[in-house]
Amino acid sequence: NAGVMQNPRHLVRRRGQEARLRCSPMKGHSHVYWYRQLPEEGLKFMVYLQKENIIDESGMPKERFSAEFPKEGPSILRIQQVVRGDSAAYFCASSADRATREKLFFGSGTQLSVL
Amino acid sequence: QKEVEQNSGPLSVPEGAIASLNCTYSDRGSQSFFWYRQYSGKSPELIMFIYSNGDKEDGRFTAQLNRASQYISLLIRDSKLSDSATYLCAVKAPPGNTPLVFGKGTRLSVIA
Repeated sequence: NAGVMQNPRHLVRRRGQEARLRCSPMKGHSHVYWYRQLPEEGLKFMVYLQKENIIDESGMPKERFSAEFPKEGPSILRIQQVVRGDSAAYFCASSADRATREKLFFGSGTQLSVL
Repeated sequence: QKEVEQNSGPLSVPEGAIASLNCTYSDRGSQSFFWYRQYSGKSPELIMFIYSNGDKEDGRFTAQLNRASQYISLLIRDSKLSDSATYLCAVKAPPGNTPLVFGKGTRLSVIA
């Protein structure tokens, strides 16, 4: 499967725990984007990364949230001390290039539920 | 702030009819425009993209772009029950590291 891979598919955490969401981009893609989607809401941009670099994190809350895309391995979105409001679907997308016309392809998402 | 607006729907059309989905955007400098389809509980799937003013056809789908009015539309001809989904409009402005901005989506229901 050469598509964008996300895991886990579902993640349940209690308030105060940490959540780690993983994303492996499509083969040949080096640009990763994280989006969050709440029920009846559109996709909200969180962060854009290239290998070892955060390009744009303007949509990511300053506290408790962090993201990385190491030289080896998947991109990780980390949420510390989760709260009920963090419950959402988190989608990762990848692209081959940063060009304006570049298309994004999405993974199947991680549904985070905070109890 | 860059905004993309869509009517949330639901838009109901009978099977075999034409479904028309609309979207407006605020950033006049936007250059690339995309339509994604999202089934309930699934991930967004790219179905159309358009970069130039006018129409672009792909099978039963036609994307239309009107830069002067900052307006994009998606027409689905011969609607099928399987077209029932939420359709997300997305817009990208330069430079290349600007994120894709999505509308909230329009829910389409094709009825038998």
